[in-house]
Amino acid sequence: EAQVTQNPRYLITVTGKKLTVTCSQNMNHEYMSWYRQDPGLGLRQIYYSMNVEVTDKGDVPEGYKVSRKEKRNFPLILESPSPNQTSLYFCASSSRGGGNTIYFGEGSWLTVV
Amino acid sequence: GENVEQHPSTLSVQEGDSAVIKCTYSDSASNYFPWYKQELGKRPQLIIDIRSNVGEKKDQRIAVTLNKTAKHFSLHITETQPEDSAVYFCAASPAYDMRFGAGTRLTVKP
Repeated sequence: EAQVTQNPRYLITVTGKKLTVTCSQNMNHEYMSWYRQDPGLGLRQIYYSMNVEVTDKGDVPEGYKVSRKEKRNFPLILESPSPNQTSLYFCASSSRGGGNTIYFGEGSWLTVV
Repeated sequence: GENVEQHPSTLSVQEGDSAVIKCTYSDSASNYFPWYKQELGKRPQLIIDIRSNVGEKKDQRIAVTLNKTAKHFSLHITETQPEDSAVYFCAASPAYDMRFGAGTRLTVKP
C-alpha cells in the first residue's frame, strides 16, 4: 500500500529537549516536504527536498532542520523546541516535485511545554 | 516564490445550496492547481485538480475553474451535503514546489 508514515503521531515534550519526527514514504518519490498547520494559518511549508541531499527552506524554517540522506526518509529535527512550535505537522511526498499530486502523512501532534 | 490567497476563510451554507471557494496565485509559472479536503483530525486528501492547459474540470458535484490570465481558480460544490463540511485548501504548483492557501472552513447546515 502506497503511504507516507510519520512518527511519533502524538508527543508532549519540554522546552529545549531535542526531538526528531521521522517521515518515510514507500512510493519512490523524489519530492518530500514538511508543513505545519496552525488554526487560521493553513498549511505552512517548513522545508522541502527535491531529491537526495537537496533541501530548501520553505516559509517558516526557523527552529527546524531537515536531512535527506535516503530517498525514502525525510526527518524533521527540532534542536531546541520552544512552545511556539506546538503544532500539527504533516510530512508529504510527490513524484518529480511540483505539478504532481502530493500525498500526506497522517500528521504528528506536537506539544512543547 | 509562489503566494496563494484563499477566500472566504469560513463559509456556511444550507444543505442543497452551492458553495464557491476562490483562490488567487502570484507565480505565472504555476501549472498545477489541486484542491484538498481535510476532515477534522485527519490529513488533507486530494479531491480534484486542474492543470494550466484546461479551463474547467468536473467530477460529479465538484468542479474547478481556472483563469490563467487573471491568476485565479475556484472550487464549486453543488447540492451540498452535511458530509461536505470540512476545511478545503487550494494550492498552486510551479515546476519546483507546491504552496497552499490558508484554507476555508465549510459548514453545511442540515
